[in-house]
Amino acid sequence: AQKITQTQPGMFVQEKEAVTLDCTYDTSDQSYGLFWYKQPSSGEMIFLIYQGSYDEQNATEGRYSLNFQKARKSANLVISASQLGDSAMYFCAMTSVTSYGKLTFGQGTILTVHP
Amino acid sequence: NAGVTQTPKFQVLKTGQSMTLQCAQDMNHEYMSWYRQDPGMGLRLIHYSVGAGITDQGEVPNGYNVSRSTTEDFPLRLLSAAPSQTSVYFCASSYAPRPTRQETQYFGPGTRLLVL
Repeated sequence: AQKITQTQPGMFVQEKEAVTLDCTYDTSDQSYGLFWYKQPSSGEMIFLIYQGSYDEQNATEGRYSLNFQKARKSANLVISASQLGDSAMYFCAMTSVTSYGKLTFGQGTILTVHP
Repeated sequence: NAGVTQTPKFQVLKTGQSMTLQCAQDMNHEYMSWYRQDPGMGLRLIHYSVGAGITDQGEVPNGYNVSRSTTEDFPLRLLSAAPSQTSVYFCASSYAPRPTRQETQYFGPGTRLLVL
């Protein structure tokens, strides 16, 4: 079984500052994928970034980067230069070799960006 | 490309009624899945399909049926609606459930279902 834990129910950040959203995961599989999704108040699920367990470098997608620390089983999302439009719910999720395609989600973190 | 589309956007049912939530994708994705999202929670997998004619159960399959006769469509049927099925339902698709970025799932806009 796999598990995702997001310990920050809510986070606040000032516009233009960077923010880190925490995610820890638990799996006994050696091969797995980690994902971050954004859910704005309109409700859709928007894919942000992917990290494979065998990727040697941390993933980056524009202002999003994933701080992957395999030994600590953490996959924190870093948003640089926050914008008002970044205010949303953020979900960390994973699949693993025994359950590819079956996303397991954390409970999410609500990010609020202040002007 | 329209991506992943879902209909209806919103539906109200009475207990015991049945209905079908529609999902279609135009990206030629092999893998499709249905999730439900309850308040304050992440998404949970209901059913999934790795290709036309192949479906399997996820974490919370009870009360739901699926079929996949084409690559593009993956409808979700509620057999006899119950208030516990009040939720937001998301359909998703990906190229393939393999250990690469290709397994990234792209979601439809969701269907809000209220069962009275």
